[in-house]
Amino acid sequence: DTGVSQDPRHKITKRGQNVTFRCDPISEHNRLYWYRQTLGQGPEFLTYFQNEAQLEKSRLLSDRFSAERPKGSFSTLEIQRTEQGDSAMYLCASSLMDYNYEQYFGPGTRLTVT
Amino acid sequence: DQQVKQNSPSLSVQEGRISILNCDYTNSMFDYFLWYKKYPAEGPTFLISISSIKDKNEDGRFTVFLNKSAKHLSLHIVPSQPGDSAVYFCAASVSGGSNYKLTFGKGTLLTVNP
Repeated sequence: DTGVSQDPRHKITKRGQNVTFRCDPISEHNRLYWYRQTLGQGPEFLTYFQNEAQLEKSRLLSDRFSAERPKGSFSTLEIQRTEQGDSAMYLCASSLMDYNYEQYFGPGTRLTVT
Repeated sequence: DQQVKQNSPSLSVQEGRISILNCDYTNSMFDYFLWYKKYPAEGPTFLISISSIKDKNEDGRFTVFLNKSAKHLSLHIVPSQPGDSAVYFCAASVSGGSNYKLTFGKGTLLTVNP
């Protein structure tokens, strides 16, 4: 399977703990996106990487959130001091620079903060 | 401010009939539009897209229509099949933007009854 993969698929954590999610994009895709989806809503943009450079961050991404994409391959999204409001599905997507509009999504990581 | 609106949370149709899903947008800068399908516990799957230079794009059973003056687009599925039952998201992008991030609607749950 050469699609976008995400790990873990589910994460349950206690409030105040730190969590880290991983995304492996489609291998030749140089653009990588993180989105967050809450119940009854569509995915909302969080941040975007072109190769290893993080080029945009949404105002939804508070100081407790940090994302990296070392070497322009996989990406990690870390949430520090989790809050119950962080409970959501975190989706990763990737696309090709020369064909940017169609983004291909991974299965997501469902985070539950208790 | 919801820039992409899907005003019907759900739609139910009979197998073999046409399904019409609607989407409205408010941001006149949007010039590329996409439809995604999402099954439970999976990430969104790209379905079909349309550029603002066109008013129709067809791919098999799926056709997307764009009415720029009304800022309205619709997805037609003919004939509908039970496997089409899923949540459908409308998304929009600005081609002149630097990141091609997608702005999503809240989704419409389509149920196709056998």
